[in-house]
Amino acid sequence: EIVLTQSPGTLSLSPGERATLSCRASQSVSSSYLAWYQQKPGQAPRLLIYGASSRATGIPDRFSGSGSGTDFTLTISRLEPEDFAVYYCQQYGSSLVTFGQGTRLEIK
Amino acid sequence: QVQLQESGPGLVKPSETLSLTCTVSGGSISSYYWSWIRQPPGKGLEWIGYIYYSGSTNYNPSLKSRVTISVDTSKNQFSLKLSSVTAADTAVYYCAYMTTRGSLPQWGQGTLVTVSS
Repeated sequence: EIVLTQSPGTLSLSPGERATLSCRASQSVSSSYLAWYQQKPGQAPRLLIYGASSRATGIPDRFSGSGSGTDFTLTISRLEPEDFAVYYCQQYGSSLVTFGQGTRLEIK
Repeated sequence: QVQLQESGPGLVKPSETLSLTCTVSGGSISSYYWSWIRQPPGKGLEWIGYIYYSGSTNYNPSLKSRVTISVDTSKNQFSLKLSSVTAADTAVYYCAYMTTRGSLPQWGQGTLVTVSS
């Protein structure tokens, strides 16, 4: 089973700043099978990025994903007030799905 | 786009079986994969398992001995059964549509299931 480790656990930034979130896998993950989600309190997660770098429908272009192998990154270029939430990475490999433990993005 | 809605009891007694159903609307369940995910209060997401419309399944190894996911194409529904529940199974349970590459673009709103006597 592939373990995904996200860092940092909590990221404190101000609106307008750039956010960089990391997701590291315990073994290589195909880029096609790496996704990122945003979750706000009381809501279901929302798919942001699939295939490591493709934005899901309706996702603003300030969100971007990159990476390959065992290291993946979600970048939010200029934080908007609505971007403060918890972010999860997720992979699908060997017919199994795993999630990272999440990064909480909070207002500084 | 498809919409998903979970339904089932919000309270289950310890040692009993948790049963939930997900109803799919706006599209046919007879394609793609359908998944269950849970989230204990204040914690992260845990994948439970998924089913293909044909009935083939894959489960989280840590839950495999207690989980059964089934599909009813005539009702456009799929279901989750989790046996021998304990307080550790208290969580919000989500159903979701899963693409062939494993991403989850559509989720239900989630339903809280509490395990308590």
